Amino acid sequence: QVQLKESGPGLVAPSQSLSITCTVSGFSLTSYGVSWVRQPPGKGLEWLGVIWGDGSTNYHSALISRLSISKDNSKSQVFLKLNSLQTDDTATYYCAKSDHYYGYLDYWGQGTTLTVSS
Amino acid sequence: DIQMTQSPASLSASVGETVTITCRASENIYSYLAWYQQKQGKSPQLLVYNAKTLAEGVPSRFSGSGSGTQFSLKINSLQPEDFGSYYCQHHYGTPMYTFGGGTKLEIK
Repeated sequence: QVQLKESGPGLVAPSQSLSITCTVSGFSLTSYGVSWVRQPPGKGLEWLGVIWGDGSTNYHSALISRLSISKDNSKSQVFLKLNSLQTDDTATYYCAKSDHYYGYLDYWGQGTTLTVSS
Repeated sequence: DIQMTQSPASLSASVGETVTITCRASENIYSYLAWYQQKQGKSPQLLVYNAKTLAEGVPSRFSGSGSGTQFSLKINSLQPEDFGSYYCQHHYGTPMYTFGGGTKLEIK
């Protein structure tokens, strides 16, 4: 069955960088995209970006200068890197499988919580 | 960038009632609209995609409609497990796949 699981540092200091790994099973990263979505405490969902099966990416326009998404198909892992962290980057970060054509998010990970604080 | 506006932001209803949540896109997104349900402390789950297609396992009391810029999610005969937050998202055709602000559905 399809599964996604995020792993991240939990706590990062302001101005530092964040790296989160999404490990997937039950589908191939060469055939499907993986999106990243975050949710600040008590707030709504924010789409961050997607990496498609062919390795191409799309990013949220407000984060494009700080955000990078990459993957290792052989390890079934997708990576999110966010630079120059600020306190308002505190959120739960989710990875989700994207439908290969239409892009809707049909399977989600459990999420990993990030706190940006000194 | 396309903006997605949901209404209402919150809604209180009783078990057995029928409710409708609306989502408006700032420009034409054809039928590329998904709806997700999120329960407290849990990950979102896909309910509807392509505006009106129910995801696998979603009860038939849920229905989606609309095209262009106006969309809606209708829940007939609310059940206790339906309470939570609902989000719309446009999911194809542009570089960004923005979510709406969300609707919190609470028990009256």
